[in-house]
Amino acid sequence: EVQLVQSGGEVKKPGESLKISCQTSGYNFDRSWIGWVRQMPGQGLEWMGLIFPSDSETRFSPSFQGQVTISADRSVSTVYLHWSSLKASDTATYYCVRSKRVTTYPFDYWGQGTRVTVSS
Amino acid sequence: DTQMTQSPSSVSASVGDTVTITCRASQYSSNWVAWYQQKPGTAPKLLIYAASSLQSGVPSRFNGSGSGTDFSLTITSLQPEDFATYYCQQVNGVVSFGGGTRVE
Repeated sequence: EVQLVQSGGEVKKPGESLKISCQTSGYNFDRSWIGWVRQMPGQGLEWMGLIFPSDSETRFSPSFQGQVTISADRSVSTVYLHWSSLKASDTATYYCVRSKRVTTYPFDYWGQGTRVTVSS
Repeated sequence: DTQMTQSPSSVSASVGDTVTITCRASQYSSNWVAWYQQKPGTAPKLLIYAASSLQSGVPSRFNGSGSGTDFSLTITSLQPEDFATYYCQQVNGVVSFGGGTRVE
């Protein structure tokens, strides 16, 4: 059974750094893309980017390029989303997603979401 | 980048009704469109992929159609558990989502 299990909610201050995680199981970690989707409070879904863990190739939405980094640790089948300096506007729920291809393929599995609150 | 314009933003319906939601892509998307259902406080769930293919385990009352730039999701015989928000998504290049439709 494919599972994507995300780390717990976070409360941070503006300017702080943060790394959230998505631990996967039930499929070949190296053979699929894992990405992140943002949902701001009461808003819709926004695709942020994807990583191919086998070679760490990444693809980003133009809206998020340079704003976050995505990395993978193959030893623990886990993907990370990292901010170096949070802003209040980063307050949102973040979902990790799986896709078998970088394009022309939907997000067939989703994590449960990680709520990030950034407030002074 | 391709924008997805989804309508209506909300629809009022009753159990047993048929509901149709549409999405228009700003650029040709072939049939690379998916539909998701999201209930409050939970992650979205894939319903339809490749415009009209039903994801495993999804009831057959969900039907997707369209190609090119115009796509639709139809829910026939609406059930109590179908009251949720629905999103279209295009995956032909830079991924984008529609704005969502709340079925209430």
